[in-house]
Amino acid sequence: GQQLNQSPQSMFIQEGEDVSMNCTSSSIFNTWLWYKQDPGEGPVLLIALYKAGELTSNGRLTAQFGITRKDSFLNISASIPSDVGIYFCAGQKWGNTPLVFGKGTRLSVIA
Amino acid sequence: DVKVTQSSRYLVKRTGEKVFLECVQDMDHENMFWYRQDPGLGLRLIYFSYDVKMKEKGDIPEGYSVSREKKERFSLILESASTNQTSMYLCASSYPGLPKDTQYFGPGTRLTVL
Repeated sequence: GQQLNQSPQSMFIQEGEDVSMNCTSSSIFNTWLWYKQDPGEGPVLLIALYKAGELTSNGRLTAQFGITRKDSFLNISASIPSDVGIYFCAGQKWGNTPLVFGKGTRLSVIA
Repeated sequence: DVKVTQSSRYLVKRTGEKVFLECVQDMDHENMFWYRQDPGLGLRLIYFSYDVKMKEKGDIPEGYSVSREKKERFSLILESASTNQTSMYLCASSYPGLPKDTQYFGPGTRLTVL
């Protein structure tokens, strides 16, 4: 099945640094979602994007829905230790179809 | 708050056993999903269901089956467990239709098949 291209695969950053990760696809998606998975838990929704060009923030997190509908990025500003986890992007082509996930970005924050 | 619960957090089974993984959601969601998560492979869809008694194959249905007899419950069945089915299994549910069609996940079941 299709998967989104998510990069980077992993990141090691210093506490306080900003983080950027992105997701690309060869085909169009009409919804983009970003999830975070803490160790030993299920993914939790961070941000949902429904319109091309949309820029949405959730605290220190900002995500954008690419104009071409084929990409999205997530930024985390001023990282803190609890940002550690795996971040997944997910796309949906149209209503009520299964989500397509990226392989995840594993974030480690060094205090 | 949406709550998706899975019957076990950790499970150890022997090769050839029949294994049942149960998932229950309390928000009257129509859609339910089963994924497996493996390092480096992300989340892969096994089966999903849009309604009671309805099921659709995902990307990797081989070796699995599902049951949805009630709206709130979606069961994943491993008919004869094998070692390559050792994985983290995640259940999710959603309510159909934009803009609310986002999936909510359970905490996962880590299954080890010996």
